[in-house]
Amino acid sequence: DAKTTQPNSMESNEEEPVHLPCNHSTISGTDYIHWYRQLPSQGPEYVIHGLTSNVNNRMASLAIAEDRKSSTLILHRATLRDAAVYYCILRAGAGIQGAQKLVFGQGTRLTINP
Amino acid sequence: DGGITQSPKYLFRKEGQNVTLSCEQNLNHDAMYWYRQDPGQGLRLIYYSQIVNDFQKGDIAEGYSVSREKKESFPLTVTSAQKNPTALNLCASSILGISRNTIYFGEGSWLTVV
Repeated sequence: DAKTTQPNSMESNEEEPVHLPCNHSTISGTDYIHWYRQLPSQGPEYVIHGLTSNVNNRMASLAIAEDRKSSTLILHRATLRDAAVYYCILRAGAGIQGAQKLVFGQGTRLTINP
Repeated sequence: DGGITQSPKYLFRKEGQNVTLSCEQNLNHDAMYWYRQDPGQGLRLIYYSQIVNDFQKGDIAEGYSVSREKKESFPLTVTSAQKNPTALNLCASSILGISRNTIYFGEGSWLTVV
């Protein structure tokens, strides 16, 4: 299964941009890159996903390296409510059966200072 | 509103006791999943189901059983064989072929062995 590597923790200040890195050097050509986040005492929620091109939505931006071996989740202006654990995930394997087994690592715990 | 409902939110289990956690979704999703999250850790897949009356073991299925008699329901039974003291059990669902489609999570059920 393709795996991802993220820093255990990061810290930033309120209203500043945050760049959360993710390495996925064994990504296959058809794997999508997904980001989820988990607020305290809640289930994970979807943030953004992409394949090759950079992506933007109302929550964040996703920058994908040209070789697709790494990506960066960008929170343009962090708020206290963005404090959470952020997971970078790849579709695990090919085909429907492999796609079910999304591998969640330990993620990056983001702390936002007021 | 569409979503995933898990119950109960908190449950205490005596050693040797089987308990069942409920998961219901009204998103009309074919695929449903159960993940376990130990304190401070990432998510690990227990069971998943792609269609009614069919399900597959995930990475940590020992001590658990599931059923999928209805599309919208995927209950998880934790048997006496499961020794883990406290964990957050998360139910999720998605459209099949989830390489690019998002997964939706419930808020989780905390299970503690007393």
